[in-house]
Amino acid sequence: DTAVSQTPKYLVTQMGNDKSIKCEQNLGHDTMYWYKQDSKKFLKIMFSYNNKELIINETVPNRFSPKSPDKAHLNLHINSLELGDSAVYFCASSLQRNTIYFGEGSWLTVV
Amino acid sequence: KNEVEQSPQNLTAQEGEFITINCSYSVGISALHWLQQHPGGGIVSLFMLSSGKKKHGRLIATINIQEKHSSLHITASHPRDSAVYICAVPRRNTDKLIFGTGTRLQVFP
Repeated sequence: DTAVSQTPKYLVTQMGNDKSIKCEQNLGHDTMYWYKQDSKKFLKIMFSYNNKELIINETVPNRFSPKSPDKAHLNLHINSLELGDSAVYFCASSLQRNTIYFGEGSWLTVV
Repeated sequence: KNEVEQSPQNLTAQEGEFITINCSYSVGISALHWLQQHPGGGIVSLFMLSSGKKKHGRLIATINIQEKHSSLHITASHPRDSAVYICAVPRRNTDKLIFGTGTRLQVFP
C-alpha cells in the first residue's frame, strides 16, 4: 500500500487553465505538506497543514489554494496556470515533526 | 548564501568507494533530515537526527550541533546508490524545512 499517494503523476495543460493535484496519506499522520521542486531541482515548501489547519503559507501566489477536507487529504488547486508554474509538486506527511514521507511527485507542464 | 549548504555539488565514484557528503547550516535547528532522490524523481527519507550518529545498512549519518554540520557516509558504494542526496533542516519549532541544493552522486561499476 502506498503511504503517500498523489495524482496525477503527470499533467500537461495550457496556460490559463485551472487544475488540481490530489494527495492522500494512509499513515495516520497529523501534518501534510506541499513542496515545489523547480527546474534547478531546488525544493521549497509551499504549504503545511496540521490537523486540517493551515500552519505554513509561504510566499505563494494566491492562484495556489490548498484544501484539506480531512487529516488524510491535502489537495492543491491552481488557478489560471502560468508557464512558470511548471515544476514537480511533492506532497508529504509527517507525525509530530518526525520523519517525513514523500509522495512520488506530480510533474506539471504548462504549455 | 543559502542557509543550508551542501558539498560537493557533484560526486562521482567507483563502485566500492567510501563516500562522504557534507551539510552545513546556519539556522538553529531541532533536527536534520537526509533525503535521497532517485533519477525517477521519488524522494525517500534516509535519516532524521538531532545528535550523534545513526546507521542504516551501508549508510551512516552524523551530526555536530555545536558546529552546525552533518555528514552522510556511504560505505562500499554501489551503482544503485546513484541519486541526489539532499540535506534539510526545519526552522526551530516549525515544520518549515529548508533544503540544501543537493549532491548528485554517480557510482560507476
